[in-house]
Formats: sequence, C-alpha cells, structure tokens
Amino acid sequence: DAGITQSPRHKVTETGTPVTLRCHQTENHRYMYWYRQDPGHGLRLIHYSYGVKDTDKGEVSDGYSVSRSKTEDFLLTLESATSSQTSVYFCAIRPTGGSEKLFFGSGTQLSVL
Amino acid sequence: TQLLEQSPQFLSIQEGENLTVYCNSSSVFSSLQWYRQEPGEGPVLLVTVVTGGEVKKLKRLTFQFGDARKDSSLHITAAQPGDTGLYLCAGGNFGNEKLTFGTGTRLTIIP
Repeated sequence: DAGITQSPRHKVTETGTPVTLRCHQTENHRYMYWYRQDPGHGLRLIHYSYGVKDTDKGEVSDGYSVSRSKTEDFLLTLESATSSQTSVYFCAIRPTGGSEKLFFGSGTQLSVL
Repeated sequence: TQLLEQSPQFLSIQEGENLTVYCNSSSVFSSLQWYRQEPGEGPVLLVTVVTGGEVKKLKRLTFQFGDARKDSSLHITAAQPGDTGLYLCAGGNFGNEKLTFGTGTRLTIIP
C-alpha cells in the first residue's frame, strides 16, 4: 500500500460545470501524476508534478489544470467539463530513489452528462 | 512520440492453457515494466526489465525484454482464473520522469 487516496471515487456532473479531483499521498514522494484511462487507449498522461508548485503537461493536457500547493496533495481540475472528459482518472506516485515504477490510486470514475 | 502497441487486445482462454502477450514499439526504451489491473482498481506493478534480452520469472509468469529493447513479452504457464485482468506494459527512459503506457491486453481465464 503506497498510501494514495483519490477522492471522490465516483462523480456524475453536467457539461460546463467545474470539477476537481483530489489525490492525497502519505509518504511525501516528490513525483505525482494524473492519468486518464479509456478503452483502447491504455493510460494517457494528463499532467504531472515534480515538487510543490512544479508541474508540467502530459500528452492530453487540454481542458485540464493542476495544482500542488503541498507535497501530499495533487489536484486535477476540469474548468468546464465536457462529455469527452468522461473517463476513469488515476493518480500515481513515483517513489524517490531512481526507480521508474509507479504506484497507483484506486481511480475516480467521472461521468459528464 | 513513443508508442507501445500491445497484442492481442483481448484474449480469452481455458484454465490450464498457456499464453503469450506482446508489447511492441519502434522506439528504444531503457526499461520496460508490466502492470496488472483488476476491475475497480489501479494498475499494480508486476516486474521491471532493464537489460536487452533479460528474462524474469514470477511464479508462472515469464517476462522477456527484447535484445534491442524495443519489445517485450509476457508468457503465462497453466493460466488460472486469478490471472484474469488487464495487462499493461510501460516504457521508460532514464532521466525522463514520464512513462509511456501500452494499449493493454484484457485477459480472461475461463474456469
């Protein structure tokens, strides 16, 4: 157990509304990631963070923003949700120490109607 | 952009049979990881291979990294229902904070 908690686990929202997903870790790892998972696409990186207030874009960052004001929390915001953002969102952390392996949270199922 | 293609996309076999799934790319990776994901959960790391030609065994699972470090395979011997899940490969490069994930193979083992 890498101490990763995602909230909420499920959310249904309407097109055009803002949505924020939270990822919380208990072990003060530097690197945190947000992925989305859709059938036939595997996992695609949205944004990642390499420290407090240090973030960078992934391959599918349009329509998403992130914030990391403290080490343990990494927030993903959909400023104005669209139906194409219906997906399962996973947060991951990469332990410090040179390893490239990731530990994932249990995911958030987001439905945009 | 580095891409990883996995095949087959879906595989359904009887308990006790053997199977192999593949992860292929036109790009070289410094490491290749395999994850298994069960419904409602996040992926869990099974193994990391870092040397071309490397073979790692995890009980009934055998992982191989291609000599040119562009591809990998996962072989399962005597498959069991507990092996059911989504298998994902992921390629990494030293000094790059990001992994590239494959498209996944959804495996179903029929009792």
